[in-house]
Amino acid sequence: AQKVTQAQTEISVVEKEDVTLDCVYETRDTTYYLFWYKQPPSGELVFLIRRNSFDEQNEISGRYSWNFQKSTSSFNFTITASQVVDSAVYFCALRRSNTGNQFYFGTGTSLTVIP
Amino acid sequence: DTGVSQDPRHKITKRGQNVTFRCDPISEHNRLYWYRQTLGQGPEFLTYFQNEAQLEKSRLLSDRFSAERPKGSFSTLEIQRTEQGDSAMYLCASSSRGRRQETQYFGPGTRLLVL
Repeated sequence: AQKVTQAQTEISVVEKEDVTLDCVYETRDTTYYLFWYKQPPSGELVFLIRRNSFDEQNEISGRYSWNFQKSTSSFNFTITASQVVDSAVYFCALRRSNTGNQFYFGTGTSLTVIP
Repeated sequence: DTGVSQDPRHKITKRGQNVTFRCDPISEHNRLYWYRQTLGQGPEFLTYFQNEAQLEKSRLLSDRFSAERPKGSFSTLEIQRTEQGDSAMYLCASSSRGRRQETQYFGPGTRLLVL
């Protein structure tokens, strides 16, 4: 069975602090894809990043960085120097590679950045 | 705007009424997905189309739910005899062929309230 766990329900940080959002996944597949989406109050899910299971290279995009570790089945997301506009709910998701096209989403982490 | 669009954005209905939602995917995308999201949860997969063919359906999709994509472009999701438990955000997503097909791009959602 596929499962994505985001243990942090809510996080509050003061602007300019760094924050890490945790994501732990379960799958028996050897090939799979991991995603992070941002859901601002407007409701639309915004795609942030996709990682393939065979590519463990970490990635940095501006203030965002992602740490993928297959050994611990984790795909954590760090925001550096947080800003008020980062306030949103962040979802981690898993997609199997060859059976089905559905995403398995975690329950999300609500991030509030306090000015 | 070339993103996924959904209509209406909000719908309030009385229990027992039928409702229909529309999704227009990104124009070159051949895959279309419907998800349901309740408060405090991540999106849950409902169904998936490749072109006009409905290839997957979740067991969440009861007999009262039906989805169509008649010409392989826009899709409709109909809920018959609505129940209060159907109150949720209904999200549509689309993805393209090829290497990028794993990434789903989401619309703004239709928020349904059943009174």
